[in-house]
Amino acid sequence: SQQGEEDPQALSIQEGENATMNCSYKTSINNLQWYRQNSGRGLVHLILIRSNEREKHSGRLRVTLDTSKKSSSLLITASRAADTASYFCATVSGGSYIPTFGRGTSLIVHP
Amino acid sequence: NAGVTQTPKFQVLKTGQSMTLQCAQDMNHNSMYWYRQDPGMGLRLIYYSASEGTTDKGEVPNGYNVSRLNKREFSLRLESAAPSQTSVYFCASSEEGLVGEQYFGPGTRLTVT
Repeated sequence: SQQGEEDPQALSIQEGENATMNCSYKTSINNLQWYRQNSGRGLVHLILIRSNEREKHSGRLRVTLDTSKKSSSLLITASRAADTASYFCATVSGGSYIPTFGRGTSLIVHP
Repeated sequence: NAGVTQTPKFQVLKTGQSMTLQCAQDMNHNSMYWYRQDPGMGLRLIYYSASEGTTDKGEVPNGYNVSRLNKREFSLRLESAAPSQTSVYFCASSEEGLVGEQYFGPGTRLTVT
């Protein structure tokens, strides 16, 4: 069963616009991680945010975590065509420590 | 530094055949994982190895076996392949144990006919 669920399933934007995708989860977590997957490739780690953190930045990426709502968001600012990929959240729960991935958000950035 | 490597990249099996997917990492990571990815299902954990000498079942272990051969290598074996095992298989490793960020291999695309 998926712990994290991304929303929306698909997102289509123009280059230069911001892209926001969300992840909701059900049980308490140790941390939440965001990954990118380009078509036909393996996943690449983007950001890890721990349960006691509220916001993290990495370049054009901003991740927030709201443990009271059991949700996280990934914001990509000033998107580029090269950002076209699927984005997954993975949660590591406080009990089992087994990482659980959501089904992903497919982002298309039109040049 | 190659990171996580997987062999083979593609494989076609007939129902009932067996095969082993190989995975190796050169980052001295303790934890390693095997996932399968199916359309619309995201990644599902098959088996993981928290450290050398240990293996544990994940969410979908049925029909698979694993071996943590040493710290570098973690193999996944299908003893009697079934069409339901048609999938893309990813190996990953983690630096900080089970809670850390994972580094993924390029994947093995397996088709069982």
